[in-house]
Amino acid sequence: EAGVAQSPRYKIIEKRQSVAFWCNPISGHATLYWYQQILGQGPKLLIQFQNNGVVDDSQLPKDRFSAERLKGVDSTLKIQPAKLEDSAVYLCASSLALAVPTDTQYFGPGTRLTVL
Amino acid sequence: AQSVTQLGSHVSVSEGALVLLRCNYSSSVPPYLFWYVQYPNQGLQLLLKYTSAATLVKGINGFEAEFKKSETSFHLTKPSAHMSDAAEYFCAVSDLSGTYKYIFGTGTRLKVLA
Repeated sequence: EAGVAQSPRYKIIEKRQSVAFWCNPISGHATLYWYQQILGQGPKLLIQFQNNGVVDDSQLPKDRFSAERLKGVDSTLKIQPAKLEDSAVYLCASSLALAVPTDTQYFGPGTRLTVL
Repeated sequence: AQSVTQLGSHVSVSEGALVLLRCNYSSSVPPYLFWYVQYPNQGLQLLLKYTSAATLVKGINGFEAEFKKSETSFHLTKPSAHMSDAAEYFCAVSDLSGTYKYIFGTGTRLKVLA
């Protein structure tokens, strides 16, 4: 079974530029998550989709971050314009079920973003 | 609201020694808890999870964790450390307020000494 795929793996941009990350979850997984992991911290949820609907974006900086999940499968996360403090690893995860607290989340390898 | 606290951002053990990584939770309702491992430049991989079926949970790679309600703890252990266990370990709790997102601790980096 193929895992969660993410691209690119690494990205370096200058502040005020825009950047986009792509995620392909495990086939059939209904729920998709984007986490931000700042160096030395645990991952923090940015946005959660169930199929193609947003169920939690309470910690997404909506003035600069946006995300969509096309047809309930792939997802893109965009930052425009980027700030220095956006330097982090962006992790995508997916889980099979809808609204099950014990469901396992499967993580992709992440995209390491450096903002100069 | 649920939360987890991981004591010790860095832990060093000798190869063959006991591994003990600490995680304490805060929850007003019975929690669902997870341990994940992250190797350098990789995503997170599930080691084990507590779903209330049994208090002693066995996971992959010889790791296990015991849920202790009286101590609000879910510490991760392994009897004998191997060099390949060197990684960062995260404890997480499922947010029961509605969306079941994970709330992660700050992580513990395990170093295994030869």
